[in-house]
Amino acid sequence: GAGVSQSPSNKVTEKGKDVELRCDPISGHTALYWYRQSLGQGLEFLIYFQGNSAPDKSGLPSDRFSAERTGGSVSTLTIQRTQQEDSAVYLCASSLLPGGTDTQYFGPGTRLTVL
Amino acid sequence: AQTVTQSQPEMSVQEAETVTLSCTYDTSENNYYLFWYKQPPSRQMILVIRQEAYKQQNATENRFSVNFQKAAKSFSLKISDSQLGDTAMYFCAFMKHNTFGNEKLTFGTGTRLTIIP
Repeated sequence: GAGVSQSPSNKVTEKGKDVELRCDPISGHTALYWYRQSLGQGLEFLIYFQGNSAPDKSGLPSDRFSAERTGGSVSTLTIQRTQQEDSAVYLCASSLLPGGTDTQYFGPGTRLTVL
Repeated sequence: AQTVTQSQPEMSVQEAETVTLSCTYDTSENNYYLFWYKQPPSRQMILVIRQEAYKQQNATENRFSVNFQKAAKSFSLKISDSQLGDTAMYFCAFMKHNTFGNEKLTFGTGTRLTIIP
């Protein structure tokens, strides 16, 4: 079946604008994860969803970041009032099982550039 | 908190040779999982191999194998008969076991591997 998909592939925005990044997990996968990959910070965890709920939001870097998941499928990561330090590749992953025992499969990422 | 360390920022090897990428980690957990992911220039993170900490036998996937030393908290990746398509960033990652909830992956800083024709 299809893998994890993310859109847009690339996004260039101006400082202060809001952006929405979308993730479509593998069909049937109950768990969904967002990570950020930047030159300065490496790969860092942002948030995960089990179904539509996000029990752990501690990885979100600031209150400008929010995420939601609807219908147990698509997830949107929203960054408000973007700053240049938000420039990074945002990766989404999904896994089949609700427990933490299953492998996470990644999408191709969205490269965000804040000018 | 868990940490993952990859001490080799870059490596290169001739095609068809064998190369070993190093990874060490620190954790107080007894039950966990270790992974090697590959990230080619396309940006897609691809799972290479996975190891369950409770298994003593080292995982293998075709040309890829690991040397898992639990006591030493070491998890190296060996690539045999290296191919040009193996050129990529390789990330070592750790995940705690959690039967009832989800767990995040903690990544190392990566090793950039170049296969030379």
